Amino acid sequence: QKEVEQNSGPLSVPEGAIASLNCTYSDRVSQSFFWYRQYSGKSPELIMSIYSNGDKEDGRFTAQLNKASQYVSLLIRDSQPSDSATYLCAVRKQGYQKVTFGTGTKLQVIP
Amino acid sequence: GAGVSQSPRYKVTKRGQDVALRCDPISGHVSLYWYRQALGQGPEFLTYFNYEAQQDKSGLPNDRFSAERPEGSISTLTIQRTEQRDSAMYRCASSLQGPGQSEKLFFGSGTQLSVL
Repeated sequence: QKEVEQNSGPLSVPEGAIASLNCTYSDRVSQSFFWYRQYSGKSPELIMSIYSNGDKEDGRFTAQLNKASQYVSLLIRDSQPSDSATYLCAVRKQGYQKVTFGTGTKLQVIP
Repeated sequence: GAGVSQSPRYKVTKRGQDVALRCDPISGHVSLYWYRQALGQGPEFLTYFNYEAQQDKSGLPNDRFSAERPEGSISTLTIQRTEQRDSAMYRCASSLQGPGQSEKLFFGSGTQLSVL
C-alpha cells in the first residue's frame, strides 16, 4: 500500500466550477498535510498546509482533513484555466522529517 | 540568493560514470531535502539534512547514491557508476525550520539527469 494515494486524473472541470481533489494516506501517525501545485515543466510550490481536522480556507482554496478516515482533500472554487496543473498531496509523519508525496492529480480547467 | 539554486540544469552522462549534483539552498534555511521525480510521478524522497547532519537517508536507492552538506549550506548528491535507470529529474528543496515549525518546502528548478 502506498503511503500517499491520489487519482492521477486527468480531472477536467469547466471554468467557474468547483474542482475537488482527493488524497488518502496509510499511516495514522501522519501529522502534517500539504498540497503542492506543479505546473508542467516547473517545480512544485506549496499552496496549502493543514494540521488539524476540519477545513482551512485560503482565498479560492479550501483544504479538508479527516484523520479518522485518513483523507485529505483540496477544493478549488471558481476554477480558472490558470489552475490547470498537477496537484501533489504530501504528508509528514509525526517524529519524522521525511515528506512523502503522492503521484499527483492532473487538473484541466476548460475555458 | 533569491531561491534554491541547482546545478547543472541538465547533465548527460554515460553509463558507469560518476555524477555530482549541487544544491545551494535559500540562505538561512536549516532543512534540506533531495528528491527524485520521474515523468508523470510525484517527487520521491531520497534524503534529508538538518544543518550539516544527514538525519534521514532512507530513500537513497542503493549504496551508489550518497549526499553531503558539510557546512550546513550547499549540498551535493553524488551518484557513482550511473545506470540508465538513474535517469530522472533530481530536485532539491529547503525550508526555514525543521518539522513542527515552518514546513514550507522551497524547490529548486532541478537537475535533469540522462544516463546513456
